[in-house]
Amino acid sequence: NAGVMQNPRHLVRRRGQEARLRCSPMKGHSHVYWYRQLPEEGLKFMVYLQKENIIDESGMPKERFSAEFPKEGPSILRIQQVVRGDSAAYFCASSPPGGAGNQPQHFGDGTRLSIL
Amino acid sequence: AQKITQTQPGMFVQEKEAVTLDCTYDTSDQSYGLFWYKQPSSGEMIFLIYQGSYDEQNATEGRYSLNFQKARKSANLVISASQLGDSAMYFCAMREGLKGAQKLVFGQGTRLTINP
Repeated sequence: NAGVMQNPRHLVRRRGQEARLRCSPMKGHSHVYWYRQLPEEGLKFMVYLQKENIIDESGMPKERFSAEFPKEGPSILRIQQVVRGDSAAYFCASSPPGGAGNQPQHFGDGTRLSIL
Repeated sequence: AQKITQTQPGMFVQEKEAVTLDCTYDTSDQSYGLFWYKQPSSGEMIFLIYQGSYDEQNATEGRYSLNFQKARKSANLVISASQLGDSAMYFCAMREGLKGAQKLVFGQGTRLTINP
């Protein structure tokens, strides 16, 4: 599968635990975006990363949330000390470097995070 | 700030009829891109169609077309000859600037139900 790969597909955590969501972009893509979707709502931008750099984190909560995209390996969205309000679907998208404006972002299938 | 408005929370259409999903946007930028994504009940995000702000022709992709009215800041999605498999959530999204690597701002979505 050459598409954006996210895992796990479903993740259950208890309040106070840590959640780690992984995203491998499409082959040849070096830009990664994370979005959050609450039930019955649209996707909300969280963070945009390139390899080893955070380009735009204007949508990230100030505390408990962090993201990285190392030189090797997938991008990771990390949520520390999860609370019930973190329950949502988290989507990763990727786009190629220097892409033309009409290049869509390609989305993974998302990770559904449930907090008990 | 960018804003996308989808005023139809839900729509019900008979199979084989055409359907128009509304989307209006607000931006102060002259260069932007508009996208439509489909989210079936399985949850993945599927790219449908793109329109650039400088494109003179309305975009078309198979049964999908985008009715772009720049002066009115609207970018409605038209689905011709609807099929049962078109039942899904549909999201309009905007990217400011014409370069590929920019975050997307999504509307709240429209839930489309196709009746047999």
